[in-house]
Amino acid sequence: AQSVTQPDIHITVSEGASLELRCNYSYGATPYLFWYVQSPGQGLQLLLKYFSGDTLVQGIKGFEAEFKRSQSSFNLRKPSVHWSDAAEYFCAVGAGRGGNQFYFGTGTSLTVIP
Amino acid sequence: DTAVSQTPKYLVTQMGNDKSIKCEQNLGHDTMYWYKQDSKKFLKIMFSYNNKELIINETVPNRFSPKSPDKAHLNLHINSLELGDSAVYFCASSQLEGPRYNEQFFGPGTRLTVL
Repeated sequence: AQSVTQPDIHITVSEGASLELRCNYSYGATPYLFWYVQSPGQGLQLLLKYFSGDTLVQGIKGFEAEFKRSQSSFNLRKPSVHWSDAAEYFCAVGAGRGGNQFYFGTGTSLTVIP
Repeated sequence: DTAVSQTPKYLVTQMGNDKSIKCEQNLGHDTMYWYKQDSKKFLKIMFSYNNKELIINETVPNRFSPKSPDKAHLNLHINSLELGDSAVYFCASSQLEGPRYNEQFFGPGTRLTVL
């Protein structure tokens, strides 16, 4: 069965520090991979996605993620965190017929210290 | 214009009541979804409709009934509300058919509180 694991429930970083959020997936075929961000009281916004090709993908707000097939990982990174990045981050795998099924990780809550 | 909209944004009701949440998308997508996000932020898919036909129906109580009058709308009706139904419900849409896979676009969510 497909699954997505985000090992870190909560992460605290200082503003300006670098950030890496971990995501591991379990899926038999090549997955469609996504990172979404949810600001407090808001819906989910897509940060970036990986379908195929270049394993390093760039997203919005200065985020990037790298797909590593050998490690079944799709970690999200940002070189310098801003206070406005404080939010909940979800990794997701698209699977099923045409990828119509989504499996979300349990989320990582990011706190940014000024 | 909002791509995926939901109404209402907040819904507070008593146990045993029946309520509906409406969702509309103006992206021209052929597939719509309902998700439930619990108090621990865990997101779980409930239903998926492709061209008005149900294609995913995860294990949810049959008190929950989705209705899709057309491709742009997917409403969620909940009968006999229970305390455990309190959660944030998200609607989403995507284009399933086509040359490539497309991501899901989410609405702003409806926070349901059952007293």
